[in-house]
Amino acid sequence: DGGITQSPKYLFRKEGQNVTLSCEQNLNHDAMYWYRQDPGQGLRLIYYSQIVNDFQKGDIAEGYSVSREKKESFPLTVTSAQKNPTAFYLCASSPVLGAEQYFGPGTRLTVT
Amino acid sequence: AQSVTQLGSHVSVSEGALVLLRCNYSSSVPPYLFWYVQYPNQGLQLLLKYTSAATLVKGINGFEAEFKKSETSFHLTKPSAHMSDAAEYFCAVRGQVSGGYNKLIFGAGTRLAVHP
Repeated sequence: DGGITQSPKYLFRKEGQNVTLSCEQNLNHDAMYWYRQDPGQGLRLIYYSQIVNDFQKGDIAEGYSVSREKKESFPLTVTSAQKNPTAFYLCASSPVLGAEQYFGPGTRLTVT
Repeated sequence: AQSVTQLGSHVSVSEGALVLLRCNYSSSVPPYLFWYVQYPNQGLQLLLKYTSAATLVKGINGFEAEFKKSETSFHLTKPSAHMSDAAEYFCAVRGQVSGGYNKLIFGAGTRLAVHP
């Protein structure tokens, strides 16, 4: 069964700690994306990657970092520099950059 | 630059009634348009897409959308609402090339409530 998995579903952290969110896809897609979702604000693009070992900043990259060492994996690290990290994080992939995107189930991060 | 406006952050209908969710876009190039659905605490699922073929696009779960260039609209409809349609719906447009990348630009979403 092809798809995108994100883990964990819920994540709790103390302020000042870095945290890494996992995203794995077995769709053989080249492109992957990370979005942040806040109530009433739709989706905002954090980072995207066109191919392995390449990634670009999206609209709200400050306080976040990513890596793309494998085609299937695109982990997102929320650093302590992110001023308001509590949000719902969505990972997506597409066959190529710009094609329709397929989304994972999301990770809800709460930082207190 | 491309943009998307979804009219009405909340829409409420009775079960069996027509569902109409409005989306207007702005684009300087022929747009690719998408509707996604999101159930609570889940990811987004693609409902349908317009890619410059037929202007009436049929999607999953009985939804369809009509591309109207003159009105710059891509409204989502379903003839008869079901309780299971209660969710949040997002319209998206594929944006202008930026460094060679046409990113998706999402609207703020419309939450659909269906009551008995």
